[in-house]
Amino acid sequence: QSVLTQSPSVSAAPGQKVTISCSGSSSNIGKNFVSWFQHLPGTAPKLLIYKDDKRPSEIPDRFSGSKSGTSATLAITGLQTGDEADYFCATWDSSLSARVFGGGTKLTVL
Amino acid sequence: QVHLQESGPGMVKASETLSLTCAVSGYSISSNNYWGWIRQSPEKGLEWIGSVYYSGHTYQNPSLKSRVTISIDTSKSQFFLKVTSVTAADTALYYCARFADYSDTFDIWGQGTVVTVSS
Repeated sequence: QSVLTQSPSVSAAPGQKVTISCSGSSSNIGKNFVSWFQHLPGTAPKLLIYKDDKRPSEIPDRFSGSKSGTSATLAITGLQTGDEADYFCATWDSSLSARVFGGGTKLTVL
Repeated sequence: QVHLQESGPGMVKASETLSLTCAVSGYSISSNNYWGWIRQSPEKGLEWIGSVYYSGHTYQNPSLKSRVTISIDTSKSQFFLKVTSVTAADTALYYCARFADYSDTFDIWGQGTVVTVSS
């Protein structure tokens, strides 16, 4: 039901790298900036990446974002158990005239 | 430190009006930002409801526009959401958030408040 498509879950071992994808269309990711958030249930979502690949100063460089065509990717290197959370993407959809979000990907650090 | 806090009734009866308040602290609500409402439910996922500027200008999700009113009171550093004629489909976790031009996204969010629509 979400406009942006994400895999429901991903897992990796501590210290490894994981990528989380966000798939959209020409009316959203294809022409507008993508942002990524980390969300732990019961807490406020936290901005990790904005304008496709920019990081707020307080976010470690283990987190990085990229975009190609109508898909965006969040990469997390040097995984830590504290990275276990839900991650979702967001952008503007020019056809819907609305902010849209991904369904979220649950990261498990084994 | 910017902080947003949602408040309002946790339960609303079907066909009635849902009303929520977002209190902003640590930052001027009259600064050059839009302030938004987003909700999350298992059925629909995350859904942007709409946003308001300190001047009172609003823009809303077309899918909800007919039932939604968003307003702001800069003297109280609060902004508000009203959703009329609620149904079970409006049951969700409601977030308020700050939209920042530098990021082109919602960069600061509240923790959210659960609203359940009862029949």
